Amino acid sequence: NAGVMQNPRHLVRRRGQEARLRCSPMKGHSHVYWYRQLPEEGLKFMVYLQKENIIDESGMPKERFSAEFPKEGPSILRIQQVVRGDSAAYFCASSSPTASSGSTDTQYFGPGTRLTVL
Amino acid sequence: SQQGEEDPQALSIQEGENATMNCSYKTSINNLQWYRQNSGRGLVHLILIRSNEREKHSGRLRVTLDTSKKSSSLLITASRAADTASYFCATGDTGRRALTFGSGTRLQVQP
Repeated sequence: NAGVMQNPRHLVRRRGQEARLRCSPMKGHSHVYWYRQLPEEGLKFMVYLQKENIIDESGMPKERFSAEFPKEGPSILRIQQVVRGDSAAYFCASSSPTASSGSTDTQYFGPGTRLTVL
Repeated sequence: SQQGEEDPQALSIQEGENATMNCSYKTSINNLQWYRQNSGRGLVHLILIRSNEREKHSGRLRVTLDTSKKSSSLLITASRAADTASYFCATGDTGRRALTFGSGTRLQVQP
């Protein structure tokens, strides 16, 4: 059973370009989470999605950032018009909803995408 | 302190010694989880302790949770050089599925 997969592992963009980060959850998992980690810091929650639905986007910047989890295919985190401050590691996690609504399940993390904005 | 704040920020010990890391949080939680991150890598889930549990063991790991003090500790016994990593606590807050991470403890185990 493959774990959470993310690609690309490293992404370099120039200021103003778009960045697309992909995440395939573990088999059987229908919940996807995106987190951002700045150097020497912990992870900060960005968005939580289920298939075709954004459930919690309280951690997403209001502009330039968007996420989707279509019925078919991976979840995509999209950053438009990147700036140097977007340079970070972006981690995706997935979970299988075994707990009751509103409770946290164990989340399994992918290896991350390291975005560098020149 | 921030939600899920770890203490100490950095810890250096000799192989064979025990390592203890602490975590404090502020909100009401369903559970608290500990993760390990090797340099430049993803996170590995270590252990989850629910809010109605006080102590949990997994191999060389022992986790305690004190909800009255809003704190948790992670003990790694008989440490090995391979335990060198950053360790993060993450809280599953009541009513939310997202995890709130602390800033981590960087553990260095000297061979």
